[in-house]
Amino acid sequence: ILNVEQSPQSLHVQEGDSTNFTCSFPSSNFYALHWYRWETAKSPEALFVMTLNGDEKKKGRISATLNTKEGYSYLYIKGSQPEDSATYLCAFSSGNTPLVFGKGTRLSVIA
Amino acid sequence: EAGVAQSPRYKIIEKRQSVAFWCNPISGHATLYWYQQILGQGPKLLIQFQNNGVVDDSQLPKDRFSAERLKGVDSTLKIQPAKLEDSAVYLCASSDRTVLRYGYTFGSGTRLTVV
Repeated sequence: ILNVEQSPQSLHVQEGDSTNFTCSFPSSNFYALHWYRWETAKSPEALFVMTLNGDEKKKGRISATLNTKEGYSYLYIKGSQPEDSATYLCAFSSGNTPLVFGKGTRLSVIA
Repeated sequence: EAGVAQSPRYKIIEKRQSVAFWCNPISGHATLYWYQQILGQGPKLLIQFQNNGVVDDSQLPKDRFSAERLKGVDSTLKIQPAKLEDSAVYLCASSDRTVLRYGYTFGSGTRLTVV
């Protein structure tokens, strides 16, 4: 059974703080690692899909890195804003298989 | 482009009753997924369709859950009879060959409460 771990489970930061979360996944049979943002009462939204070791991707104030050899990915948010409050999910696939999700990190940004 | 549509948004039923959820994926997306997200856990795959064929239903509790995707477009997920532990958000997602670039497209989910 594939195990995808995310830490921390929840996080409270002040507006303007930078923060980061971790996603750990099996280092064997790696195919892709996805990050999603899920705001309350909305659809999960794809942030990044990463496939290559050493990949770094950026969208505005959010960026992610990938280390497939040691099986982890970091998601960074620079200068957190209240609208960044959401649950951030990472998901792993090995081969062309459905995504296996972690439990998510719930971020609350306090104005 | 219209997103993945799901209905209903919320449903409250008593245990042992039946319930059905509906999903309309992105037009042209061949692959459709149903995930179950229980509070405090990550989304768990229930079933994956490729067009109108089942690719993976290994985690679907087949004694009470069923799903179909007639004509390879819309899909329905049914629970009969429901148990208290089925209380969860049921997410539908779809993807196509651009999945490694854009990921899955999710609907907003159906929140089921079984009392």
